[in-house]
Amino acid sequence: DIQMTQSPSSLSASVGDRVTITCRAGQSIDKYFNWYQQKPGKAPKLLIYAASSLQRGVPSRFSGSGSGTDFTLTISSLQPEDSATYYCQQSYNTPYTFGQGTRLEIK
Amino acid sequence: EVQLVESGGGLVQPGRSLRLSCTASGFTFRDYAMTWVRQAPGKGLEWVGFIRSEGYGGTTQYAASVKGRFTISRDDSKSIAYLQMSSLKTEDTAVYYCTRGSRIHIWLDSAYWGQGALVTVSS
Repeated sequence: DIQMTQSPSSLSASVGDRVTITCRAGQSIDKYFNWYQQKPGKAPKLLIYAASSLQRGVPSRFSGSGSGTDFTLTISSLQPEDSATYYCQQSYNTPYTFGQGTRLEIK
Repeated sequence: EVQLVESGGGLVQPGRSLRLSCTASGFTFRDYAMTWVRQAPGKGLEWVGFIRSEGYGGTTQYAASVKGRFTISRDDSKSIAYLQMSSLKTEDTAVYYCTRGSRIHIWLDSAYWGQGALVTVSS
């Protein structure tokens, strides 16, 4: 199985901050990689697919980059509604493993 | 509008079986692979398995934690995906989501999610 490791596990930032979350795959996965956002009590929401493509309807302050083993989710200007847990996922090989999640809080 | 609605969750004793249904609407169901993802209380997301579209053989793959106990199937005439769970364990307690990808036939992401069905395995 391909292990996905996110960092940090949690972070706190202020409105307007630039926030970066990283995810490392245990082997090269090319760009078969996704980011999701989950708010409490809700289903996850796809933010970024194929490592850097913004899902329709997702605000442009979210962006993704990377390929191979190292990936980054960036929020350019943090908004209050961005408080959530973020998960990465590889879609290169089954099982399509998720990272352990990053909890983002607004100061 | 794409909609996925899970049903069939509930309380079940260890060792028993339960079947979840995912009723789809708003798209041509037969063209898409369908996946199941679960989330134990207070924990992260775990990929459970998926079923390919019939056009790609309708084959299935599973996580090691459920292989041999869970079976995913589909009824394209009814636009329903199923998750048959047998020999349930307490560690199977979770919210179970069905998801659909953004591309036909090939699953690369979960662009659409149901609201989830809670399965509690307890005596």
